[in-house]
Amino acid sequence: GIQVEQSPPDLILQEGANSTLRCNFSDSVNNLQWFHQNPWGQLINLFYIPSGTKQNGRLSATTVATERYSLLYISSSQTTDSGVYFCAHDTDKLIFGTGTRLQVFP
Amino acid sequence: DTGVSQDPRHKITKRGQNVTFRCDPISEHNRLYWYRQTLGQGPEFLTYFQNEAQLEKSRLLSDRFSAERPKGSFSTLEIQRTEQGDSAMYLCASSLVENTEAFFGQGTRLTVV
Repeated sequence: GIQVEQSPPDLILQEGANSTLRCNFSDSVNNLQWFHQNPWGQLINLFYIPSGTKQNGRLSATTVATERYSLLYISSSQTTDSGVYFCAHDTDKLIFGTGTRLQVFP
Repeated sequence: DTGVSQDPRHKITKRGQNVTFRCDPISEHNRLYWYRQTLGQGPEFLTYFQNEAQLEKSRLLSDRFSAERPKGSFSTLEIQRTEQGDSAMYLCASSLVENTEAFFGQGTRLTVV
């Protein structure tokens, strides 16, 4: 099956810094989603982005399907951005990467 | 739109007991998925339904696990003879059809003691 790799596995930032999270997948995908998992375990939808670029406030995402990767940009990070970020691709069900654990300190 | 709802949020059970979890998807969504997540890992696919039909089951879903979606609305996931290795967060998601945005519930955290 399709493999999904995320990098970096861990990221520590000071409040206000910018960051880029990467998701590589091993084959073409029909759908790609980014999620933020909060400390209580809830997966919050960030982007549904099979291709192209989308922006939502301080977050933006780009998927280059032909090159099999997606990027999540977080600008001016805040402590509330802390948590685990997952990308997941969808063939007929979502397959998740291993996640990037982000810690933002004041 | 109330989102995906899961019940209970937390469950502590003794080894060997049976447990059942419920998931109510977003009302117009035809697809319903179950996932399991252990500490430090990403969610792992267990099974999914298209309406009432169970279309795929992961090898992770041993014969102690059974899932149903009797009328194509809510779904239940039952674990029989629970083992300590079953301790995990069980997540439910729904989507309108395949390859559309999926939304997750808050999960049921199972602890087997």
